[in-house]
Amino acid sequence: EAQVTQNPRYLITVTGKKLTVTCSQNMNHEYMSWYRQDPGLGLRQIYYSMNVEVTDKGDVPEGYKVSRKEKRNFPLILESPSPNQTSLYFCASSLSDGSGYTFGSGTRLTVV
Amino acid sequence: GENVEQHPSTLSVQEGDSAVIKCTYSDSASNYFPWYKQELGKRPQLIIDIRSNVGEKKDQRIAVTLNKTAKHFSLHITETQPEDSAVYFCAAYGSARQLTFGSGTQLTVLP
Repeated sequence: EAQVTQNPRYLITVTGKKLTVTCSQNMNHEYMSWYRQDPGLGLRQIYYSMNVEVTDKGDVPEGYKVSRKEKRNFPLILESPSPNQTSLYFCASSLSDGSGYTFGSGTRLTVV
Repeated sequence: GENVEQHPSTLSVQEGDSAVIKCTYSDSASNYFPWYKQELGKRPQLIIDIRSNVGEKKDQRIAVTLNKTAKHFSLHITETQPEDSAVYFCAAYGSARQLTFGSGTQLTVLP
């Protein structure tokens, strides 16, 4: 089944403890992206990647890191999480022309 | 870069009535326009899309229209049902070579 897989689905952590949210797609998509979504707000882009070893900042990159060492994986790294990073996170991927844009199931992160 | 504006931000309709959500885009090179539906706590999912060489596309109760000259596109839902209640996002793919999303519309279908 074609899909974008995010892990974990739910995570509660403490301030300052490094964490990684994984994202993997099995559709051979060139493009991958991370978003955060807060209550009452839309999708805010954190980082995106056009292809392997190519990453760029989105609208809200502060406090986050990403890497794209393999085509299928695009992990989101929070080096020192803070409570204002409590949010619902989505990974997405697509072909280079934007078609097939698919979201993962989401990761609900709580930082206390 | 691309700017996509979506209106209204909230929309309430009576069950059985029609709902229309409108989006405008800024990049004249944009050529792909998908619409996503997001139910509470779930991921956004593609419901319909249209490419710039087509003016209208229908899929049962859902239709999308595109006016390239005016740079706007709209989602039309007819005979609305309670299960249509969700947040809807429009998006446009243009020169930036990635989708730019609108801010979303919360649609509520009242029984």
